[in-house]
Amino acid sequence: KQEVTQIPAALSVPEGENLVLNCSFTDSAIYNLQWFRQDPGKGLTSLLLIQSSQREQTSGRLNASLDKSSGRSTLYIAASQPGDSATYLCAVRPGYTGFQKLVFGTGTRLLVSP
Amino acid sequence: DGGITQSPKYLFRKEGQNVTLSCEQNLNHDAMYWYRQDPGQGLRLIYYSQIVNDFQKGDIAEGYSVSREKKESFPLTVTSAQKNPTAFYLCASSTFTTGRYTEAFFGQGTRLTVV
Repeated sequence: KQEVTQIPAALSVPEGENLVLNCSFTDSAIYNLQWFRQDPGKGLTSLLLIQSSQREQTSGRLNASLDKSSGRSTLYIAASQPGDSATYLCAVRPGYTGFQKLVFGTGTRLLVSP
Repeated sequence: DGGITQSPKYLFRKEGQNVTLSCEQNLNHDAMYWYRQDPGQGLRLIYYSQIVNDFQKGDIAEGYSVSREKKESFPLTVTSAQKNPTAFYLCASSTFTTGRYTEAFFGQGTRLTVV
């Protein structure tokens, strides 16, 4: 059974700092991995999708990498801003059995201070 | 604008009542999902549907029911059999094209509270 872990559970940084969020998964057989952002009381906003054949994806100040063999993904946020404060979730779509659904980690709550 | 619309945003349920949460998408996606989110826990899958008139139970389906009569709509009913329904409910959709699963998109959620 695929399990997803995100460490740390919470992170507090000053504005302007570059930071890395981690996501690990137990089964390397995945179709894709997706990073989301969730603001308090809101739904999930998709940030980046990495297909299993890709190593990284970039969007603006965000860069996500994928290493299937080690079961790890990182989300790199450059020059963090207070507006980046939110909970960041990663989700994998399992390959083979269970591919119909996404499996989520419990998220990293990020606070960027002015 | 394409997206997923969930309604209502807030819902209050009395003991013993069934309530229905609405989810509509105009993304032309084949697959739709219902997730439940509780504080300190990851999202847990309730039901999913890959095509119209077909749906499967997820990890926590007991006390819930769904229907998929139209591609655009996937309503979730929380029945009186669900013992702890207070939670944040999220609807999502995605599709499969050119050999790849696309991004999943989520609605803004419905917060259900038992009173």
